[in-house]
Amino acid sequence: DAKTTQPTSMDCAEGRAANLPCNHSTISGNEYVYWYRQIHSQGPQYIIHGLKNNETNEMASLIITEDRKSSTLILPHATLRDTAVYYCLPQGAGGTSYGKLTFGQGTILTVHP
Amino acid sequence: GAVVSQHPSRVICKSGTSVKIECRSLDFQATTMFWYRQFPKQSLMLMATSNEGSKATYEQGVEKDKFLINHASLTLSTLTVTSAHPEDSSFYICSARGSFWGNQPQHFGDGTRLSIL
Repeated sequence: DAKTTQPTSMDCAEGRAANLPCNHSTISGNEYVYWYRQIHSQGPQYIIHGLKNNETNEMASLIITEDRKSSTLILPHATLRDTAVYYCLPQGAGGTSYGKLTFGQGTILTVHP
Repeated sequence: GAVVSQHPSRVICKSGTSVKIECRSLDFQATTMFWYRQFPKQSLMLMATSNEGSKATYEQGVEKDKFLINHASLTLSTLTVTSAHPEDSSFYICSARGSFWGNQPQHFGDGTRLSIL
């Protein structure tokens, strides 16, 4: 399984963009990059995923480098409710990994007024 | 979006009791469901993976006779913690995925906080 490295914590001012980096230099060719977040005492929430191309949805944008060794999750206008632990996770499309997710420690994002 | 419901949200019971936790996919068929455990200030740890109609696959170090998993239908998986003890107290979270293959994300329940006295 690919290993990931994320900053332990980050701060962001409300209304500003939050850019959360993730290093996944050992990601394999068939692994997607998934981002989830966990708000205190709740189950993780799916945010976005991608393989090679940049992706955008109603929650966030995902920028993946051309060599796929790193990615950045962008919350364009952070709100206080975006305070959470953000996890970057490679996930295989099937086979022996059958979609297993291995959670690291993630990044604690604190959005302040 | 896809909704996964987990029940109960909180359980407090005596040592030696068996506790059953249900995980339901409400608006999609879950071919694969996952069970995680999370201790305070730690990340989620995968306990087991279950595919509908087949036996669960447990991660190394997780006792299959202690944590019984049943995935009898495409919308329901259950985790039974048998003869629970205080060290089993934790936050248990399930997730569901619509297919075994492909790039569909996992959708998580809101977790069950289990406290064994």
